[in-house]
Amino acid sequence: AQSVTQLDSQVPVFEEAPVELRCNYSSSVSVYLFWYVQYPNQGLQLLLKYLSGSTLVKGINGFEAEFNKSQTSFHLRKPSVHISDTAEYFCAVSKLIQGAQKLVFGQGTRLTINP
Amino acid sequence: NAGVTQTPKFRVLKTGQSMTLLCAQDMNHEYMYWYRQDPGMGLRLIHYSVGEGTTAKGEVPDGYNVSRLKKQNFLLGLESAAPSQTSVYFCASSINTYEQYFGPGTRLTVT
Repeated sequence: AQSVTQLDSQVPVFEEAPVELRCNYSSSVSVYLFWYVQYPNQGLQLLLKYLSGSTLVKGINGFEAEFNKSQTSFHLRKPSVHISDTAEYFCAVSKLIQGAQKLVFGQGTRLTINP
Repeated sequence: NAGVTQTPKFRVLKTGQSMTLLCAQDMNHEYMYWYRQDPGMGLRLIHYSVGEGTTAKGEVPDGYNVSRLKKQNFLLGLESAAPSQTSVYFCASSINTYEQYFGPGTRLTVT
């Protein structure tokens, strides 16, 4: 069974510092990987996705992630964070099952930006 | 376009009461999903639909029923609410491009 592990439940960083949110997945087949962001009291919004091709994926708001097949990781990075990046971030893996795409989510990482 | 909308935004139920959550999308998407979000557990799939008139069980379907009578709507029903169903419920839709679009959520409390 596929699963996703986000290694940190909370990550506090100072404004303008770099950040990395870690995600590992387990799967024996090809995977499609996603990062979603949830701002307070809102739904989830897609940050970026890896379907195939270049292992370095760029998303919205200056975020990027690198797919590493040998380490089964898909870590999210941003070189300089802003207060507005305070949110919860979810890593997800997708698999086509019975004709439908299903997302399996990690537990989430709460990113807190301190001034 | 409104995208994905959910009704209601908040609801408090007593144990044993029933209710229906409505999800609507105006993007002509075939696929629709219901998730629940609980602290420290991410989102878990309750039920999903691959098209009008079809539904299927997800990871945590017990205690819920769904219907997809119209392509744009996906209803989630709780026949007899239990405190364990206190959660935030999210609806999502997709057109099979692997990107799901989420609604703003419904916060349900069962006392």
